[in-house]
Amino acid sequence: NAGVTQTPKFQVLKTGQSMTLQCAQDMNHNSMYWYRQDPGMGLRLIYYSASEGTTDKGEVPNGYNVSRLNKREFSLRLESAAPSQTSVYFCASSESTANSPLHFGNGTRLTVT
Amino acid sequence: AQSVTQLGSHVSVSEGALVLLRCNYSSSVPPYLFWYVQYPNQGLQLLLKYTSAATLVKGINGFEAEFKKSETSFHLTKPSAHMSDAAEYFCAVSASGGTSYGKLTFGQGTILTVHP
Repeated sequence: NAGVTQTPKFQVLKTGQSMTLQCAQDMNHNSMYWYRQDPGMGLRLIYYSASEGTTDKGEVPNGYNVSRLNKREFSLRLESAAPSQTSVYFCASSESTANSPLHFGNGTRLTVT
Repeated sequence: AQSVTQLGSHVSVSEGALVLLRCNYSSSVPPYLFWYVQYPNQGLQLLLKYTSAATLVKGINGFEAEFKKSETSFHLTKPSAHMSDAAEYFCAVSASGGTSYGKLTFGQGTILTVHP
């Protein structure tokens, strides 16, 4: 059982380049999320999708866009990467109730030079 | 609005000693509370969750946490630390109503080191 799969695992970009982080889940969850993790700051929500066809901004959406391609897949796009976007990015999914835990992928480590 | 504060970014214990990781929260509505663990180069895994059914919650790997409303706390404990418990631990809060589900607010994390 794969759970939540993220690709790529590592990426190095130059300032101004673009890229898309891919995420897929096989647990039939309605809700999916993108978080970024920075040292000493915990995880911060970038965007989330409560269900297929809907997306909403989280705490730190600037510089990012998302697409909920179908129920399984939720991608995160950086149109013009900046050094401040150097981080570890986690995708997660959950059932659509407030007490449902998040299931996380293993993360994408992104460096922008 | 909701927030989480984890007291102590680093905690060090000896193998076999008590583990205590502190978490205080604020929430305008009754909260759901979670503890997650992150091992190096991995995603977060759920340790336990509080959903108002019982104030003392037991999780995996011998961890437990007690919800204290009067103290707005949800501290994580384990009676006897094991070397394999070395990891980073995150406390998180979710509002119980409306469309806030899944929009967890995380604490800053506490790195647990276990010495032989």
